[in-house]
Amino acid sequence: AQKITQTQPGMFVQEKEAVTLDCTYDTSDPSYGLFWYKQPSSGEMIFLIYQGSYDQQNATEGRYSLNFQKARKSANLVISASQLGDSAMYFCAMREGKLTGGGNKLTFGTGTQLKVEL
Amino acid sequence: KAGVTQTPRYLIKTRGQQVTLSCSPISGHRSVSWYQQTPGQGLQFLFEYFSETQRNKGNFPGRFSGRQFSNSRSEMNVSTLELGDSALYLCASSIGMRGLETQYFGPGTRLLVL
Repeated sequence: AQKITQTQPGMFVQEKEAVTLDCTYDTSDPSYGLFWYKQPSSGEMIFLIYQGSYDQQNATEGRYSLNFQKARKSANLVISASQLGDSAMYFCAMREGKLTGGGNKLTFGTGTQLKVEL
Repeated sequence: KAGVTQTPRYLIKTRGQQVTLSCSPISGHRSVSWYQQTPGQGLQFLFEYFSETQRNKGNFPGRFSGRQFSNSRSEMNVSTLELGDSALYLCASSIGMRGLETQYFGPGTRLLVL
């Protein structure tokens, strides 16, 4: 079974609008972390936001927020007020805790290509 | 603070050759992880080093190896290159003390095997 599933290969959004990128995950480890990274065409992976499995509140970082629904095993990224520079590939990733020997190993989804239009 | 640096940025090799990629982590970071990104397989974890010891390993053949030096810089080596090794190789660093911190990535090395 896929550990991280991103069902939207591509998304379009109008500039200044909000957009939600979906991510579901699968793990039996009670301790895990969920990450979102942005990858522009240059290739570098840029860290956006992190949510720990025990965090009570949804994580926010500027225009990025993570809609964490633990029971549904989903960790959707919300980008508010989209900008042209947000056009990139977005990856959801999970790091499982020490119970499963996760350490610093990230498991990535297949990504969502976001295109922001004028 | 300077970010993660990787050298070289681009590399062209032929089948059968070997290649060494280098990664310098963010100052103070002791964990370095390597990932391979291909269109077909996506992003896959290769291995992680912490304090000069391999702490985690992915499902790659023994042709892929790595090491870490006392200054936390890491190298990755691929021997007997195959066409399928063409990929973007990404290095990531983290503080690494608990093995649970955010990883910050470098710009990657694009390897083309002909």
